[in-house]
Amino acid sequence: DIQMTQSPSSLSASVGDRVTITCRASQSISRYLNWYQQKPGKAPKLLIYAASSLYSGVPSRFSGSGSATHFTLTISSLQREDFATYYCQETDTMPYTFGQGTKLEIK
Amino acid sequence: QVQLVQSGSELKKPGASVKVSCKTSGDTLSKYAMNWVRQAPGQGLEWMGWINTKTGNPTYAQGFRGRFVFSLDTSVSTAYLQINSLKPGDTAVYYCATSISGWSMFDPWGQGTLVTVSS
Repeated sequence: DIQMTQSPSSLSASVGDRVTITCRASQSISRYLNWYQQKPGKAPKLLIYAASSLYSGVPSRFSGSGSATHFTLTISSLQREDFATYYCQETDTMPYTFGQGTKLEIK
Repeated sequence: QVQLVQSGSELKKPGASVKVSCKTSGDTLSKYAMNWVRQAPGQGLEWMGWINTKTGNPTYAQGFRGRFVFSLDTSVSTAYLQINSLKPGDTAVYYCATSISGWSMFDPWGQGTLVTVSS
C-alpha cells in the first residue's frame, strides 16, 4: 500500500499568513493527489484535485503543486474560515490512502 | 451534480448489525463509483473500499473484509453499508462519497453517519 505522510501535523498561524502543508507519498503517484478541508462535525470538502487543479468554487488563495512523491498545499493569505484540518489523498492505486491530517489553528 | 444524503445516527450493542444508507439524487448513480470512508473519534480518514454502481461489484480495503458489506438498490438510487457483529472499535462516523474514473477524487460526500457501539 502507498503511505501518505503529511507535515506538519499541526500548525498555528494568523489571519493573513501564507501557509504551506506538505504531503509525501511512499512511491510515485504521478499527479493523482487530492486535498480536502474538514471542519469539526462536517464532511470533508474537495479543494484541489490532480495535484494542482482548483475545484469549482474554491477560493483562489488555495493552490496545489507537486508530482511523483512530493506535493504541497498553499494558502496564500489565511482567512478566518480556513482554520480547519486538511488531508491529502492519493487516488493512483487502491487502497486510496489519506494522509494523517494537518490541523490548522489560529495563533 | 449528484447529492448524497445519509441515514441518521445509530446506537447499537456489541454483536448487533447496522445498515447505513446513502441516497443519491440529481444525477444517475451509475455514472459514479461509490466509496465508503471511516473516521473514528478524533482520528483521520480511512478508505474502506468502493462499489461499482454499474455491476454492483464491491471492493474492500484490507481491514474491512468479512464483517463489512457494500450493496446497492438502484431502484431507489441508494447505496448501503452494513456492518455485522459490531464491536466497540467500530464506533465512528461513516461517510459515503462519489468519484468518477480518471482522477477519482471524492466529491461530493454525504454528511456522515455516526455509529456508536456500546453496551
